[in-house]
Amino acid sequence: QVQLKESGPGLVQPSQTLSLTCTVSGFSLSSYGVIWVHQPPGKGLEWMGGIWGDGSTDYNSALKSRLSISRDTSKSQVFLKMNSLQTEDTAIYFCTRCNNYDYFDYWGQGVMVTVSS
Amino acid sequence: IMLTQSPATLSVTPGESISLSCRASQSISTNLHWYQQKPNESPRVLIKYASQSISGIPSRFSGSGSGTDFTLNINRVEPEDFSVYYCQQSNSWWTFGGGTKLELK
Repeated sequence: QVQLKESGPGLVQPSQTLSLTCTVSGFSLSSYGVIWVHQPPGKGLEWMGGIWGDGSTDYNSALKSRLSISRDTSKSQVFLKMNSLQTEDTAIYFCTRCNNYDYFDYWGQGVMVTVSS
Repeated sequence: IMLTQSPATLSVTPGESISLSCRASQSISTNLHWYQQKPNESPRVLIKYASQSISGIPSRFSGSGSGTDFTLNINRVEPEDFSVYYCQQSNSWWTFGGGTKLELK
């Protein structure tokens, strides 16, 4: 069955870089896009960026200067790196599979990241 | 493209039938999808392309609309339906609405 699972540090210091990994199973990264979505505590969902089956990437313009998404298809892993973290980047970070470039049909459990010194 | 959901909060009793609204800032055809998020859980997709059902989702959930105005209907709310509902568009990049919280009256 399709599964996605995020992993990474729960605490990051301000101005540092966040590195997260999404490990997928049940589908090929060459066939589906994987998107990162974040959700600040008590707030709504925001699309951050993603990587598609052909390896191309798209980024939310508000985050583009700080964000990088890559993958290792042999390990079925997608990576997120975001630099210059601030306290407002404190959020739950989800990875999700994008179906037909349109909707998000499978989600990881999410990982809570706190930006604090 | 901005999505505006209303109301922000809806208080209902189980058994009521309800409608949630999502309005787009410009026409998005039927590239609109609905999600449910329960506390401390990941979102799950309920409806795709405005009105198409998703396998495994109860039939009491239905969607309608096109262009700029969309509706998620829940026929006879069940206790497990109390959560937050989001709409999401895919016509131009991807954005989510601010959510509607469905709470117990």
